[in-house]
Amino acid sequence: EAGVAQSPRYKIIEKRQSVAFWCNPISGHATLYWYQQILGQGPKLLIQFQNNGVVDDSQLPKDRFSAERLKGVDSTLKIQPAKLEDSAVYLCASSPRIAGGGETQYFGPGTRLLVL
Amino acid sequence: SQQGEEDPQALSIQEGENATMNCSYKTSINNLQWYRQNSGRGLVHLILIRSNEREKHSGRLRVTLDTSKKSSSLLITASRAADTASYFCAPSSGSRLTFGEGTQLTVNP
Repeated sequence: EAGVAQSPRYKIIEKRQSVAFWCNPISGHATLYWYQQILGQGPKLLIQFQNNGVVDDSQLPKDRFSAERLKGVDSTLKIQPAKLEDSAVYLCASSPRIAGGGETQYFGPGTRLLVL
Repeated sequence: SQQGEEDPQALSIQEGENATMNCSYKTSINNLQWYRQNSGRGLVHLILIRSNEREKHSGRLRVTLDTSKKSSSLLITASRAADTASYFCAPSSGSRLTFGEGTQLTVNP
C-alpha cells in the first residue's frame, strides 16, 4: 500500500511570510497527526485529527498555526506569519483506528522548513 | 506528560556488535512503542509491546518492558551499518504518543 505522502519536501521562506504543508495519509486511516521536529529533538505533536474532527490541538500555537482536514482525508498545516524558531521538520503521520488507543503510527518523509 | 527518556543519548559500536538502548517513563502505560529515524527521513515503527508483556522479538530486535521500574530496553543484535539511525521510545497511556530526544546509534563498518 502507498505510504503517507507529504509535500513539499523542502521550503525556504523569510520570517513573517506564510507557508502551507500538505499531507495525504494512508488510505482508510482515520487518525492523522502533525508533528514538529526541531533539529536534535524528538517529534512534538501539534495536532491530531480523527476523521475531520480535532482530537488534540493543545500544543498547537494557534496564534500562527492552523490546520484542517476537510472531508477526513488529506490535511494542510499553515503557518502565518512564520518566525525563525519555526525552522524544523514537519512530520505527518496516520493510524488506522480511532484515536486514543496508542496505535502504531505511520510517518511521511516530512517537510523541512527553513525560516530566514 | 508521558514522555519517554532514552539513554544513552549517543552510542557508537562496531558492525556485528549488539546495541542496547534504554527508555524510562513516569506514569502507567497501555503500551510502549519503539521507532527508528534515519537521517532526513520520517520515523519508522519498529515494535509495540503491551503493558502485560515482558519481552517481544522481531528479527534482530528484542524489546523488554519492566512496568515495575517503568523502563524498557531495545536490543539490536549483530548490528549492521544500515542500523545507523536515531531510535525513539514512545510510551502510550491511551492518548498521544510522546517522544523523547532519542538515542543516536552509529554502527561503524
